[in-house]
Amino acid sequence: DTGVSQNPRHKITKRGQNVTFRCDPISEHNRLYWYRQTLGQGPEFLTYFQNEAQLEKSRLLSDRFSAERPKGSFSTLEIQRTEQGDSAMYLCASSLQASYNEQFFGPGTRLTVL
Amino acid sequence: RKEVEQDPGPFNVPEGATVAFNCTYSNSASQSFFWYRQDCRKEPKLLMSVYSSGNEDGRFTAQLNRASQYISLLIRDSKLSDSATYLCVVPSGGGADGLTFGKGTHLIIQP
Repeated sequence: DTGVSQNPRHKITKRGQNVTFRCDPISEHNRLYWYRQTLGQGPEFLTYFQNEAQLEKSRLLSDRFSAERPKGSFSTLEIQRTEQGDSAMYLCASSLQASYNEQFFGPGTRLTVL
Repeated sequence: RKEVEQDPGPFNVPEGATVAFNCTYSNSASQSFFWYRQDCRKEPKLLMSVYSSGNEDGRFTAQLNRASQYISLLIRDSKLSDSATYLCVVPSGGGADGLTFGKGTHLIIQP
């Protein structure tokens, strides 16, 4: 399967714990995006990378959230001191720079904070 | 006006019928638009891109009205498998490269 992959698929954690998610984009895609989706809402943009550079962050991305893409391939999203309001589906997407904004999504990581 | 606005539905439509829904957007500078399809508990998947006045792909037609700032999606001869949530997507604008998604329109095709 050469699509976008994410792991874990599900994560249950207690409030206050740190969690880290991983995204592996389609191999030739140089752009990688993170989104958050809650029930009944569309995905909300969090941040994106072009190669290893993080070029944009949404105001939704509080200082408890950090994302990295150290070698321009896979990316990690870490949430520190999780809160119940962080419970959501975290989606990763990737795209070719040439095919502007036609993004391919991974299956997501569903986070539940107890 | 909200950045991207859609009627959440649900739209209950008999199999074989034609259904259309609209999406309005606020960023008049947007040049490209997208319809994504999302099945229950699955990731969004690109259905159609709209770069000019419209696009057609089989039973699906997307049209863009820049003057009124809306995009429509028309589905002809609807199938049971068309049941899904359809997300209208617009570039975030203001130099940002993210996408702004609508909340989606829930479509249920009934046998």
